[in-house]
Amino acid sequence: SQELEQSPQSLIVQEGKNLTINCTSSKTLYGLYWYKQKYGEGLIFLMMLQKGGEEKSHEKITAKLDEKKQQSSLHITASQPSHAGIYLCGAIYNFNKFYFGSGTKLNVKP
Amino acid sequence: SQTIHQWPATLVQPVGSPLSLECTVEGTSNPNLYWYRQAAGRGLQLLFYSVGIGQISSEVPQNLSASRPQDRQFILSSKKLLLSDSGFYLCAWSGGFGYGYTFGSGTRLTVV
Repeated sequence: SQELEQSPQSLIVQEGKNLTINCTSSKTLYGLYWYKQKYGEGLIFLMMLQKGGEEKSHEKITAKLDEKKQQSSLHITASQPSHAGIYLCGAIYNFNKFYFGSGTKLNVKP
Repeated sequence: SQTIHQWPATLVQPVGSPLSLECTVEGTSNPNLYWYRQAAGRGLQLLFYSVGIGQISSEVPQNLSASRPQDRQFILSSKKLLLSDSGFYLCAWSGGFGYGYTFGSGTRLTVV
């Protein structure tokens, strides 16, 4: 079963446009992570959220964790071709176990 | 500082051949270690995790096995590879609950 649901599965946006990726959990999260990956390469850590209502930003990427700690969104402002890749949310549910969402494939058209 | 090494980076193996992927961590002791797999077009799937030497937990029944012969060494193995074993394999370590996760650079395995 998939504890983490990500949407959309894929996204194509024009350069300069904003976009949002969502990550929804069926259980309360102890920690929510966002990673970026280009297929066949390692994961790049973007940010981690732990507190309900927390929001973090890195350059043009902002991530939020809702108050109930069951949903997170990743927002990219003024997208660029360098933002293209697969975005993965990951979460800790039980001690020592870390799970990933199914991923969102992002293409940015110049 | 802590570092994680994973090798090889790419591997092409025939069906039925054995597999051994190695992951080592430096700069920490008693890490939690993980093996993930990403099949083409799909998300990352947790395969195995280990909280100590000789302690392996399997998340998904499959053609693979894992071992932890030393504190900072995690090995992914198979006796006979299947075509369906192709994918991208990632090793990761964590200091435990509440700590972040660090991933290796991955191994792209193609079974032909």
